[in-house]
This record gives sequence, C-alpha cells and structure tokens, in this order.
Amino acid sequence: AQSVTQLDSQVPVFEEAPVELRCNYSSSVSVYLFWYVQYPNQGLQLLLKYLSGSTLVESINGFEAEFNKSQTSFHLRKPSVHISDTAEYFCAVTSPEAGSYQLTFGKGTKLSVIP
Amino acid sequence: DAGVTQSPTHLIKTRGQQVTLRCSPKSGHDTVSWYQQALGQGPQFIFQYYEEEERQRGNFPDRFSGHQFPNYSSELNVNALLLGDSALYLCASSTTQGFSNQPQHFGDGTRLSIL
Repeated sequence: AQSVTQLDSQVPVFEEAPVELRCNYSSSVSVYLFWYVQYPNQGLQLLLKYLSGSTLVESINGFEAEFNKSQTSFHLRKPSVHISDTAEYFCAVTSPEAGSYQLTFGKGTKLSVIP
Repeated sequence: DAGVTQSPTHLIKTRGQQVTLRCSPKSGHDTVSWYQQALGQGPQFIFQYYEEEERQRGNFPDRFSGHQFPNYSSELNVNALLLGDSALYLCASSTTQGFSNQPQHFGDGTRLSIL
C-alpha cells in the first residue's frame, strides 16, 4: 500500500520570501510523484511531476521539487512567493509497477502569502 | 480545447436519496477516475473506468457505482445517501497510452451537500 504525508497543514509566508512544502511518501515499489494546486472552489491543477530521470523537476511558474529516494521525500520549493500562490497544495503518489491506477493524495498544505 | 467538465456544479440532497453526477473527459482521453474530497481532506480514489468497465476500485461501499459510455463520458451514482457523503466529487481523465506517464486532469468538481 502507498501513502503520502504532508507534514504541515498550513504555511504562512511573507510575499517574496522562500517557501518549502514538505511531502513524504511510503511505498514498497517505485513511484511516480506529483504536486497539484487547488484554488478555492476549483478542481486540482497539475503543478509538476516526477516520473523518472532527473530528480529535480520544475514548473513554469517557478516552483521546483526534488525526488529523494533515500528519504522518500518530494518537497516543493519556491525561492520567492507571490500573492497569487495562495492556494492549497496536494502531494500525490502512484505506483504503476504495483498495478495501481489510482493517485493517493496527502491531506494538503494551505499556503497563505502575506502582503 | 475543453478540459474535463462536470455537472452539476452544486447539488443538495436529503438522506436516503440517490444522486447521479456526470463527467465529460478532456478531448482525446479515454479513462475516467472519480475522487471524493471531504472538507479539509485530500481527494480519495473511488474508482476508475476504462473501456466501459470498472478497472480499479478504492475503499468505498457498493452504494457508490459508476458507468462509462462509448463516448468515454462517465456517471457516478450514489444510493442511500448519508450525511457523510457530503463532499466535493472530482472527475479526472487520462489516456491509457503509456498510462503511467499521463497525469490525470481534473474537473472543477460537483459540490454535494446532504441535509
């Protein structure tokens, strides 16, 4: 079975400051990892994904995440946040090797950017 | 290019009633998954449909059932509604071609409230 732990339920940060949202996963087989963002009253939007290859993945709006197999982590970072980054962020895992077609999500981290 | 569309956007039902939610996948996608997102929680996988059959199911009772049509659209049916079924129901679509490399695209969801 696979699981995801997002260690912080809420993260307040000042505008233009750096931020890290933490994600740890548990799986006995190889995984694919994702970060999704959810704005109020909307569905989930894919932010970035790790499937294979380089362990550092980047999004078009300045976020990046690094896959660390030894620490089973996939933390999300941004060097300088903007007001528009205020949203809820979900880390998710899937294990095609285990025959799984589902995404398993963490409970989410609410990022609040303070002007 | 239309993304994943869901209807209705909001729905209010009473305990014991039955409800049907609808989803049209993103153009070119042939696989539909349904998730339940309770308030303050991450989405939880209900089931996935491919080729008009349920391919995988999460830990949900038989009161939750689904259907996929030849045009790949899908319905989620919930019978004998309980107060605990109040949630945002999300539909996600993807393609089976190299499935594991296709992140699931989400709709904006149907907000179901049970009175």
